[in-house]
Amino acid sequence: DQQVKQNSPSLSVQEGRISILNCDYTNSMFDYFLWYKKYPAEGPTFLISISSIKDKNEDGRFTVFLNKSAKHLSLHIVPSQPGDSAVYFCAASLLNGYALNFGKGTSLLVTP
Amino acid sequence: NAGVTQTPKFRVLKTGQSMTLLCAQDMNHEYMYWYRQDPGMGLRLIHYSVGEGTTAKGEVPDGYNVSRLKKQNFLLGLESAAPSQTSVYFCASRGANYNEQFFGPGTRLTVL
Repeated sequence: DQQVKQNSPSLSVQEGRISILNCDYTNSMFDYFLWYKKYPAEGPTFLISISSIKDKNEDGRFTVFLNKSAKHLSLHIVPSQPGDSAVYFCAASLLNGYALNFGKGTSLLVTP
Repeated sequence: NAGVTQTPKFRVLKTGQSMTLLCAQDMNHEYMYWYRQDPGMGLRLIHYSVGEGTTAKGEVPDGYNVSRLKKQNFLLGLESAAPSQTSVYFCASRGANYNEQFFGPGTRLTVL
């Protein structure tokens, strides 16, 4: 059963606007959340993460928000750039866990 | 540093053939992972290793075997390939005190 869900397979945003990618999870024991970015024919690359003790983490144009009560996190990209066009994966791990549980990904297209 | 490398990049097999995928990392990471990515399925964990000489099953281990004889290498074997194993395979590694996994560029495998 999918414990990490990205319900939007794709998203299209204009350059300069905000991109919001959403992720829901079902396991309340998840302790750490990550976002990965993947270009075609390349491996995923780590983008940003957040611990369950925080509700927000920023890194430049990227901000991740965590709402533990709703079991929901989101990735905000402001402003969006054409180079941000990629597939974004949400992932979660348990405290002291070895593995990451990945969502199915959201394909972001940023148009000029 | 090369990071995580995978060999080969592409391979075509016939049903019933065997092969080994090699993953190497030069970051002295303790943990290593093998994932497969299929369209619309995200990344699914096949096997992982928390140290030299140790391996464990992930979400989709059937039809695969792994070995970690050296800390820097993690091998994924297919003893008798099936068309259902057509996929893109990613290797990843991480340090023991971190949650972020670093991915290799992937191996695209087609089984006819």
